[in-house]
Amino acid sequence: EVQLLESGGGFVQPGGSLRLSCVASGFTFSSYAVSWVRQSPGKGLEWVSSISASGGATFYVDSVKGRFTISRDKSRNTLHLQMNSLRAEDTALYYCAKFRDKMGLTTAIDFWGQGTLVTVSS
Amino acid sequence: QSVLTQPPSVSGAPGQRVTISCTGNNSNIGAGFDVHWYQHIPGTAPKLLVYGNSNRPSGVPDRFSGSKSGTSASLAITGLQADDEADYYCHSYDKTLTSSVFGSGTKVTVV
Repeated sequence: EVQLLESGGGFVQPGGSLRLSCVASGFTFSSYAVSWVRQSPGKGLEWVSSISASGGATFYVDSVKGRFTISRDKSRNTLHLQMNSLRAEDTALYYCAKFRDKMGLTTAIDFWGQGTLVTVSS
Repeated sequence: QSVLTQPPSVSGAPGQRVTISCTGNNSNIGAGFDVHWYQHIPGTAPKLLVYGNSNRPSGVPDRFSGSKSGTSASLAITGLQADDEADYYCHSYDKTLTSSVFGSGTKVTVV
């Protein structure tokens, strides 16, 4: 059974940092692209970032470029999202997600975690 | 504001058929990129309903079906049931934004 378990969310002031993690199990982690997708309060789903199966390619939505960094640790089957210079508009439930292929941009997401909540407020 | 536009809400009686549209442009759906559909009950993990425009994952009932034409795609739900009440999102890729993109979302209500 595929499982994606997020952690690391919390309350942070504007300008602060957080590091999200997602432990994956039930599939060959190194064979698939993985991603972060967020949902702000009262809003829809927004793709944030993806990393290819090899880790060699990373992709970001424009609003987080230069502030967020996605990475993966194959030895620990873990996905990370380092979030710096956080803004109020980054407040959201962040989902870890597995793509159906190695690149992670054009194909479907077939499994999702339950999400971890990030609140940015003064 | 999403580049993939969906109606904010649709409703139907139990047993009826409803359709949800997803309208894009020539940078995304019209450029030939696949469309995928998800069912989402807020606070829970979204569920993949349709991938590659019209394919259903194992375990998804054939009441759910997807199609694509030109710069738009649609999700049809037949035999509407109470537990179909949820938010539904389309998903594709935009070559101008070089981003994976979700639709604006549609709330389905069973009246």
